Amino acid sequence: RKEVEQDPGPFNVPEGATVAFNCTYSNSASQSFFWYRQDCRKEPKLLMSVYSSGNEDGRFTAQLNRASQYISLLIRDSKLSDSATYLCVAEAGNMLTFGGGTRLMVKP
Amino acid sequence: DAGVIQSPRHEVTEMGQEVTLRCKPISGHNSLFWYRQTMMRGLELLIYFNNNVPIDDSGMPEDRFSAKMPNASFSTLKIQPSEPRDSAVYFCASSFISGVGEKLFFGSGTQLSVL
Repeated sequence: RKEVEQDPGPFNVPEGATVAFNCTYSNSASQSFFWYRQDCRKEPKLLMSVYSSGNEDGRFTAQLNRASQYISLLIRDSKLSDSATYLCVAEAGNMLTFGGGTRLMVKP
Repeated sequence: DAGVIQSPRHEVTEMGQEVTLRCKPISGHNSLFWYRQTMMRGLELLIYFNNNVPIDDSGMPEDRFSAKMPNASFSTLKIQPSEPRDSAVYFCASSFISGVGEKLFFGSGTQLSVL
């Protein structure tokens, strides 16, 4: 079993739709969590950190459920430019473990 | 800041040849990571340096792989001899480890193709 698991997708959604991704982690020592975005043939870039209380950044909302060991990312009013792969990341002891990524394709 | 700089961007080589990938981390960052990404295995950590010292190299596939960080501004990842299964995108990333919650900054990666 992978330490950080994600549905690889792809998630095909129309513009304006709301889409949610979940990610589960197995290391209960994980302390911090992040979502990274990776465009095709590009490097991963930090999208947002995930806080215990949940956090929102514009159209993006991240939530953490420590009891169930999962993290979620909600994208509202999706844009064509949101098409990318979204990587879930769990950090324990200064080591970051990446999930395999969920591919999102937003279509007109 | 120029960000994490990797070279070369693309490398095509023949099986058995030595390959050297280079990385310049962001100035002031004290941690450097080498990752490998493939479709099958996703993003895998190969090795992690803190203050130029290798901390965890458990992800290095085998003895053919070696990494060095002679100073705070330069690191290399070497594969000798290279094999077709080494074909992947190799990312270097750096961060300032200040405790929980540090974030990584990735370079643009090196696309390696071993024929």
